[in-house]
Amino acid sequence: DAGITQSPRHKVTETGTPVTLRCHQTENHRYMYWYRQDPGHGLRLIHYSYGVKDTDKGEVSDGYSVSRSKTEDFLLTLESATSSQTSVYFCAISASGDEKLFFGSGTQLSVL
Amino acid sequence: GQNIDQPTEMTATEGAIVQINCTYQTSGFNGLFWYQQHAGEAPTFLSYNVLDGLEEKGRFSSFLSRSKGYSYLLLKELQMKDSASYLCAVYSGAGSYQLTFGKGTKLSVIP
Repeated sequence: DAGITQSPRHKVTETGTPVTLRCHQTENHRYMYWYRQDPGHGLRLIHYSYGVKDTDKGEVSDGYSVSRSKTEDFLLTLESATSSQTSVYFCAISASGDEKLFFGSGTQLSVL
Repeated sequence: GQNIDQPTEMTATEGAIVQINCTYQTSGFNGLFWYQQHAGEAPTFLSYNVLDGLEEKGRFSSFLSRSKGYSYLLLKELQMKDSASYLCAVYSGAGSYQLTFGKGTKLSVIP
């Protein structure tokens, strides 16, 4: 199994609070991604990174920011959480942009 | 824009064969992935088709027709553990390094 760790695995927070999700990899892969998965929508890309300090927006980036200061860590921040951001968040990695993704175990986030 | 269509749910009998279809209309095409996702777990890679034709891998096969914007995943000798969601995803490339996922097909295998 690819070495990807997401933390926390579960989080409950209140509307308006900041939240940071962490993705840590031990594979030294260049590409890292944050997806959210919601019933009826499938997996949707939030942000991705193609190297240290190199990030770009995905399909549903509003309300989210990311940072990648080291190859192994990719952080997703919700500056002010809203109930619409209640979702399962998956981190994924790939060696190159056109190769298969390896997914982390996911973070269940509930915003009340 | 990107549009990927899959059936929402399918049911099949243990030991049988099932075909899960995926059609796509995307701005650019560089390959199509299939992932399996058991309930409450992360997606895992099944197959990747770049060229037209059938790719076989054990009980699972995946087919691609680029001219028709069509792919299918074929599962043979179904087992109960094959009950899962199957996700079709298109890599459109063009420098975006992004995958667009379909909404997934939930397969239930019954005895």
